[in-house]
Amino acid sequence: NAGVTQTPKFQVLKTGQSMTLQCAQDMNHNSMYWYRQDPGMGLRLIYYSASEGTTDKGEVPNGYNVSRLNKREFSLRLESAAPSQTSVYFCASGPGQGAQNIQYFGAGTRLSVL
Amino acid sequence: LAKTTQPISMDSYEGQEVNITCSHNNIATNDYITWYQQFPSQGPRFIIQGYKTKVTNEVASLFIPADRKSSTLSLPRVSLSDTAVYYCLVGPKAAGNKLTFGGGTRVLVKP
Repeated sequence: NAGVTQTPKFQVLKTGQSMTLQCAQDMNHNSMYWYRQDPGMGLRLIYYSASEGTTDKGEVPNGYNVSRLNKREFSLRLESAAPSQTSVYFCASGPGQGAQNIQYFGAGTRLSVL
Repeated sequence: LAKTTQPISMDSYEGQEVNITCSHNNIATNDYITWYQQFPSQGPRFIIQGYKTKVTNEVASLFIPADRKSSTLSLPRVSLSDTAVYYCLVGPKAAGNKLTFGGGTRVLVKP
């Protein structure tokens, strides 16, 4: 059982480049989330999707876009990367429906923007 | 959502019990207390959740006093592999978009 799978694991970008972080879950969860974690800090929510077909902004959405492709997949896109977006990005999923504070996280994508 | 306060760091030794206390003075009636564990270079992992009294699973125990203004995560007989950051989160179950991971408690288990 893979759980939440994120690709790529590492990425280096130059300022202004774009990229998409991929996330897929195989637990049939309704809700999916994207977080970022800066060194020594807690996680901050970027975007989330409560169910297939819906997406909403979290605490720090500027500079990002998301797509809930289907129930399994939730991608995060950086249109024009900036050094301030250097961080570790985590995707998570959760069953929703009254248990939304129990989330299952992927291993993360470590992104450096030069 | 309720603000939480937990120690920044704790040291322990293998085989000891580790207790991490989280304060949440303004916890609301419908709030649950949830703990996550994060190993270096990994995503957080759900450990345990409770509403009141005591909850125990194969990983930890969670003690919640009657006034619910604090909670204690207890890790029995820790090993080196329990070295991690532990996060206390307080909020309603239907608040997936409002989970607030603060700085957590960095637990270092020494041999």
